[in-house]
Amino acid sequence: DAGVTQSPTHLIKTRGQQVTLRCSPISGHKSVSWYQQVLGQGPQFIFQYYEKEERGRGNFPDRFSARQFPNYSSELNVNALLLGDSALYLCASSLRWGHNQPQHFGDGTRLSIL
Amino acid sequence: KNEVEQSPQNLTAQEGEFITINCSYSVGISALHWLQQHPGGGIVSLFMLSSGKKKHGRLIATINIQEKHSSLHITASHPRDSAVYICAVSRDKLIFGTGTRLQVFP
Repeated sequence: DAGVTQSPTHLIKTRGQQVTLRCSPISGHKSVSWYQQVLGQGPQFIFQYYEKEERGRGNFPDRFSARQFPNYSSELNVNALLLGDSALYLCASSLRWGHNQPQHFGDGTRLSIL
Repeated sequence: KNEVEQSPQNLTAQEGEFITINCSYSVGISALHWLQQHPGGGIVSLFMLSSGKKKHGRLIATINIQEKHSSLHITASHPRDSAVYICAVSRDKLIFGTGTRLQVFP
């Protein structure tokens, strides 16, 4: 079975632009979580979705939004990009809701803001 | 103070050495995860544990809930073990440590 897939792998944007990142979970997994990892730091939680509903949100501004589709894939949108949004964005899927489940991570999307 | 602290931040070892990475946390948790991140960025889950000890190949993870402490041990280390090892705790979200960068030289 395919693992968690994320697209694109790399992306370059300029300040003020908008970006959409995509994630396909492992087949059968209904929960998707998004994380931001700035260089040299551990990942920070952004969102968790389960059964197409937002189940958790981290301390990120409203410029960050996400959704989950009926096939359980997910998109993360970031508006009005800032230089500080440059990071690796990771998606993880799990069978069920909650963070005490084994998490399966994708390879991430590396976003650079110029 | 971070809720999850790892030590050491950097670790260099010779092939074959026994390695220990430590994780301390200051909050109540439902589980603790050990993760491995390679230079390309992808993260692999090594262990999820809520008590006791787990072993997978040359990797051993232990947790002491009362002392809020976990350790990851690598026996007979190998250059392919070179990576960043990250501890994360489960609450209403995953809270990550900043990672331990391990380099194993032949």
